[in-house]
Amino acid sequence: EAGVAQSPRYKIIEKRQSVAFWCNPISGHATLYWYQQILGQGPKLLIQFQNNGVVDDSQLPKDRFSAERLKGVDSTLKIQPAKLEDSAVYLCASSLLQDNEKLFFGSGTQLSVL
Amino acid sequence: GENVEQHPSTLSVQEGDSAVIKCTYSDSASNYFPWYKQELGKRPQLIIDIRSNVGEKKDQRIAVTLNKTAKHFSLHITETQPEDSAVYFCAARGPGARQLTFGSGTQLTVLP
Repeated sequence: EAGVAQSPRYKIIEKRQSVAFWCNPISGHATLYWYQQILGQGPKLLIQFQNNGVVDDSQLPKDRFSAERLKGVDSTLKIQPAKLEDSAVYLCASSLLQDNEKLFFGSGTQLSVL
Repeated sequence: GENVEQHPSTLSVQEGDSAVIKCTYSDSASNYFPWYKQELGKRPQLIIDIRSNVGEKKDQRIAVTLNKTAKHFSLHITETQPEDSAVYFCAARGPGARQLTFGSGTQLTVLP
């Protein structure tokens, strides 16, 4: 079974620039999650999709972060403009159901904002 | 919202010894508690999970115990091996299948 695919693996940008991350979940998984993992901390949920609809985006900084999952499969997360504190690993995960159980994570995108 | 605290932040054990990692949660209505293992530079992977209607669950060398009254749960690893070295994260899910809240992680090092 293919896992959750993410790209790019690493990204270095300057503050105020924009950046986008891509995620392709496990085939058949209806629920897709984006997490932010700051060094030394646990993952924090940014947004959860069920198919192409948003289930939870309560912790997404909507003034600078946006995400979409237009066809209910792959998803993009964008940051515009980036701040220094956005430096983190951005993890995508997927699950078969909408119950936040048995999440499968991608390898993540490590973002450094200089 | 839910708050999950995890201790210790680092743990070193000799190969063959046991390791215990503890987490406390704040929302008494939380009902699902997974543990994820993240090796250096790799993705987090689910290793074991437990629901609130169960007090203990085992899978070979790993086990999780849950004390709902005290609102804490623990991961137990017996007969530790060098490949157990990783960061371990606990998490709690609120009622209504609400989002997972993760602990801050425990860096486990198994010394040969």
